Amino acid sequence: AQSVAQPEDQVNVAEGNPLTVKCTYSVSGNPYLFWYVQYPNRGLQFLLKYITGDNLVKGSYGFEAEFNKSQTSFHLKKPSALVSDSALYFCAVRDNTDKLIFGTGTRLQVFP
Amino acid sequence: NAGVTQTPKFRVLKTGQSMTLLCAQDMNHEYMYWYRQDPGMGLRLIHYSVGEGTTAKGEVPDGYNVSRLKKQNFLLGLESAAPSQTSVYFCASRDKGVRPQHFGDGTRLSIL
Repeated sequence: AQSVAQPEDQVNVAEGNPLTVKCTYSVSGNPYLFWYVQYPNRGLQFLLKYITGDNLVKGSYGFEAEFNKSQTSFHLKKPSALVSDSALYFCAVRDNTDKLIFGTGTRLQVFP
Repeated sequence: NAGVTQTPKFRVLKTGQSMTLLCAQDMNHEYMYWYRQDPGMGLRLIHYSVGEGTTAKGEVPDGYNVSRLKKQNFLLGLESAAPSQTSVYFCASRDKGVRPQHFGDGTRLSIL
């Protein structure tokens, strides 16, 4: 079965420090992977996607994600966290019927 | 450019009442989706549409119906609301290909 796992419910990081939000996936065939961010009382906003090519994908707001096929992971990263990055982050994989399967989300808290 | 607009933003219903949630997109997207978001469960797909006049069941379709009579609108109906349908409902749309989904800001629905 195709699935996405976000092993951490919450990640805490100090402003200015690097951050990583973890995601692992299980899918048959080549994975199409996405990261979205959700701010309070808002819908999900697209950050970045991986389809093929370079394993390091750059996205919006200074975020990037590293695709690792052998570890079936697609971790979200940012070199220097901002307090305004505090939000709920979702990893998603497109399944073989062209629909997205979402992880359960990771709450990122950046402390001043 | 409004993107994806959901109406209403909030609603409180009594058990057994019916209502319709409206989603409108102005991006000429072919694909549209209805999700529900519950704490700790991420987003779960209720129904989706791959084009005008088509609908299909998602992961959790029971108790809901949908219609896509016009390309820009996707309606979600609750025929007889139950407390288990208390949730935040999100509509999304996307273009053809491996494109990201664009989300509305949600409808917060409480069933008493």
